[in-house]
Amino acid sequence: KAGVTQTPRYLIKTRGQQVTLSCSPISGHRSVSWYQQTPGQGLQFLFEYFSETQRNKGNFPGRFSGRQFSNSRSEMNVSTLELGDSALYLCASSFSSGTYEQYFGPGTRLTVT
Amino acid sequence: EDKVVQSPLSLVVHEGDTVTLNCSYEVTNFRSLLWYKQEKKAPTFLFMLTSSGIEKKSGRLSSILDKKELFSILNITATQTGDSAIYLCAVVYNTNAGKSTFGDGTTLTVKP
Repeated sequence: KAGVTQTPRYLIKTRGQQVTLSCSPISGHRSVSWYQQTPGQGLQFLFEYFSETQRNKGNFPGRFSGRQFSNSRSEMNVSTLELGDSALYLCASSFSSGTYEQYFGPGTRLTVT
Repeated sequence: EDKVVQSPLSLVVHEGDTVTLNCSYEVTNFRSLLWYKQEKKAPTFLFMLTSSGIEKKSGRLSSILDKKELFSILNITATQTGDSAIYLCAVVYNTNAGKSTFGDGTTLTVKP
C-alpha cells in the first residue's frame, strides 16, 4: 500500500506570496491532518479534515487554510507569506478522525525569503 | 492550557544500554497518547495507548500509560545506533474529533 505523499517536496517563496501544498493520504484513509514543524516550536497542529469537513483547528492565523476533496486528498493554503512561515509542513493520514494511529508524509519544506 | 512535556530533552547512551523516555500531559478530555520516532524525515508511528497499565510492545521497544498520574514512558532495551532519533509523544484530546498536541521530543543518541 502506498504511503502518504506530499507535493511539492521543496518550495521557495517570497514574502507576501501565497502557496498551496498538497497531500494524498494512504488509500482508504479519510482523515488528513496538517502540522507545521520548526526548530523553535516543534510540531504544531494546524487542522484536521475528515470527509471533506474541517474537524479541528489549531492556533494559527486565518492565513492558513485548507480543504479536502471527495477522494480524501487535501490541500493547505498559506496566504500573504511571512518569513516565520518557513517550516516543514507535514500531513498525516489516518483511517478515522481523531488522529488515531496516523501516518506521516515526507513533508514539504517551505522557505520564505 | 493543554500541554505535553517530554523528558529528558536529550540523552546520550552507549549501545546495549536501556533507556526510559518520559511524557507527561495535562489536557482536557484525554483520548489517547501516541509515540513516534523521527529520524531525518517525517515521524513514524510507534504506539498508541488508550488504557492505563496495559503495556504495548514491539521488539525492544515498549510503552505504558498511567492515566491517573498523567504520564507515559517509552522503554528501549539493548539500544542500537539505529535507535538514534527524536522520540515524540502526542496526546489526542477533546470531545469531538480530537485535537492533538505534541511534546518537544527527546533526542536520543546511541553511541557505538
